[in-house]
Amino acid sequence: DAKTTQPNSMESNEEEPVHLPCNHSTISGTDYIHWYRQLPSQGPEYVIHGLTSNVNNRMASLAIAEDRKSSTLILHRATLRDAAVYYCILRDGVEGDKIIFGKGTRLHILP
Amino acid sequence: SAVISQKPSRDICQRGTSLTIQCQVDSQVTMMFWYRQQPGQSLTLIATANQGSEATYESGFVIDKFPISRPNLTFSTLTVSNMSPEDSSIYLCSVDGLTSGSHSTQYFGPGTRLTVL
Repeated sequence: DAKTTQPNSMESNEEEPVHLPCNHSTISGTDYIHWYRQLPSQGPEYVIHGLTSNVNNRMASLAIAEDRKSSTLILHRATLRDAAVYYCILRDGVEGDKIIFGKGTRLHILP
Repeated sequence: SAVISQKPSRDICQRGTSLTIQCQVDSQVTMMFWYRQQPGQSLTLIATANQGSEATYESGFVIDKFPISRPNLTFSTLTVSNMSPEDSSIYLCSVDGLTSGSHSTQYFGPGTRLTVL
């Protein structure tokens, strides 16, 4: 599986935008970029995913670099409830059924 | 979306015993997945369970230690056998959404917190 690299932790102030980076320099042409997050004491939950174009949904935006070797999850206005571990994951076109988790980024939100 | 429940939510067990964890989904799904999350760590995939066939285990996990059943499209069990304190973890099941594959969404259960004394 192609690997992703994320910072171990990040901090942000409440009500400010948060940009969570992810590097995936060995991504293949058919890999989808997925983001999940895990709130304290809960199972992971889906946030967003994309292939080549930037994506928006009610939770976040996903900005994908033109060469697809990196992406950024954008939380437009962080709240205390967004404090979680955020995982950037590649799901490949061959074995796309299973998700392999990396270490993720622990996001701290400061009130 | 899919709603997943797990039983038990937590348990404390003695070493050498076995525990069976149940995973129930509110809709029929093709693939179910079992993960382990050790304290302070990320999730590690144990195995993929398809209905009607044997589970496929990831490297480092074997059927004798983690037997899995998948009797129908809404239910699966994971047994942690001959437990040791190193098996203390959260065990989670997950399923793909309406579709499967690289562009689908996975849904996760709340997890079973296991402590082995």
